[in-house]
Amino acid sequence: QSALTQPASVSGSPGQSITISCTGTSSDVGGYNYVSWYQQHPGEAPKLMIYDVINRPSGVSNRFSGSKSGNTASLTISGLQAEDEADYYCNSYTSSSTRVFGGGTKLTVL
Amino acid sequence: QVQLVESGGGVVQPGRSLRLSCAASGFTFSTYGMHWVRQAPGKGLEWVAVISYDGSDKYYADSVKGRFTISRDNSKNTLYLQMNSLRAEDTAVYYCAKDTMAFDTWGQGTMVTVS
Repeated sequence: QSALTQPASVSGSPGQSITISCTGTSSDVGGYNYVSWYQQHPGEAPKLMIYDVINRPSGVSNRFSGSKSGNTASLTISGLQAEDEADYYCNSYTSSSTRVFGGGTKLTVL
Repeated sequence: QVQLVESGGGVVQPGRSLRLSCAASGFTFSTYGMHWVRQAPGKGLEWVAVISYDGSDKYYADSVKGRFTISRDNSKNTLYLQMNSLRAEDTAVYYCAKDTMAFDTWGQGTMVTVS
């Protein structure tokens, strides 16, 4: 049950786009379309931003989008806003019927 | 509205036990799988355990297997996590989350400190 690999930090200026990667294996990210992404502001519970690789829950801005290629999933945030500054985590279903998170990525809006 | 409220956290000595609860409301609890997820201070999220809608299937992270037990009482709309043989590294905020192949609803968390 090794954690998925995410960059520790990314940054961008307001209005720009950024992409956060999430790399796993064929036993998790690459094997299933059950990748999800979570946003967490300090002191708050995580919030679901993307599910099933590409889908946005109701109420989540369309500036957030997800994709997957092979064993790597990605979260793209376009038109960066100050409120997007947060920690982001990916998660995947695994072949053992468990779930695994990425290590998390701190997004800084410059 | 859909709501999850955890309780039962606190300070406990190493080797002792603690039981967490998660009260669910606003949805048909008995038709959803449920998870426990934890977050150590200043660290990332760690998946802990999942239980199927009827309690028949349970899966655990290797870090807690054999020490923690997930269970549910659908008549009380409540999820539980029995934590035995607690270690310092179990210190974390513990969240319960509703399963739709993603964690679409989270509680506010309950803090467990093993010291």
